[in-house]
Amino acid sequence: AQTVTQSQPEMSVQEAETVTLSCTYDTSESDYYLFWYKQPPSRQMILVIRQEAYKQQNATENRFSVNFQKAAKSFSLKISDSQLGDAAMYFCAYRSGNDMRFGAGTRLTVKP
Amino acid sequence: GAGVSQSPSNKVTEKGKDVELRCDPISGHTALYWYRQRLGQGLEFLIYFQGNSAPDKSGLPSDRFSAERTGESVSTLTIQRTQQEDSAVYLCASSLESHWSSYEQYFGPGTRLTVT
Repeated sequence: AQTVTQSQPEMSVQEAETVTLSCTYDTSESDYYLFWYKQPPSRQMILVIRQEAYKQQNATENRFSVNFQKAAKSFSLKISDSQLGDAAMYFCAYRSGNDMRFGAGTRLTVKP
Repeated sequence: GAGVSQSPSNKVTEKGKDVELRCDPISGHTALYWYRQRLGQGLEFLIYFQGNSAPDKSGLPSDRFSAERTGESVSTLTIQRTQQEDSAVYLCASSLESHWSSYEQYFGPGTRLTVT
């Protein structure tokens, strides 16, 4: 079975600084998608960024970027110029076909 | 337009009772997912509906769990004879998918179920 591992239960970053959240996954598939979702206290899950496994170029969305290492099965999220509104739970997710799996999450705290 | 809505937002029930959770997806979204999120944990896939295809029920944890969807509209998740371990937030998501590949899932706010 495919698993998604987030080894950092909690992370903290100073406002305006940069933080990187780690994610590794296990799969035997060659075609799949990886996602980072943000879940603020409101419980509303929001897609932050998406990466197609067949693309070598790392995805970027404004202050959010990923470091996708397919051979190492690693998919980290970098948040630049952290803002107070970035404080939330962040979930790494994997999808192949109908199989969608989430990591246990990383709680990010942003200090003013 | 409206996003995914779920009702009720909170539900407290006694052990052994049946509960029904409702999800209204975004209009036109062909795919609908149910997930369970236990306290402090990630999302656990339960069931997936895609158009008129047979649903993927591979994530349902026991036969006490079932879900229905009428066409491409409302879905209900039913838990029979609830147990304390069923306490969790149940999240619904919908997606405009004609292919499995990459369409974004839009999540509802969830239903927090507490079984006493």
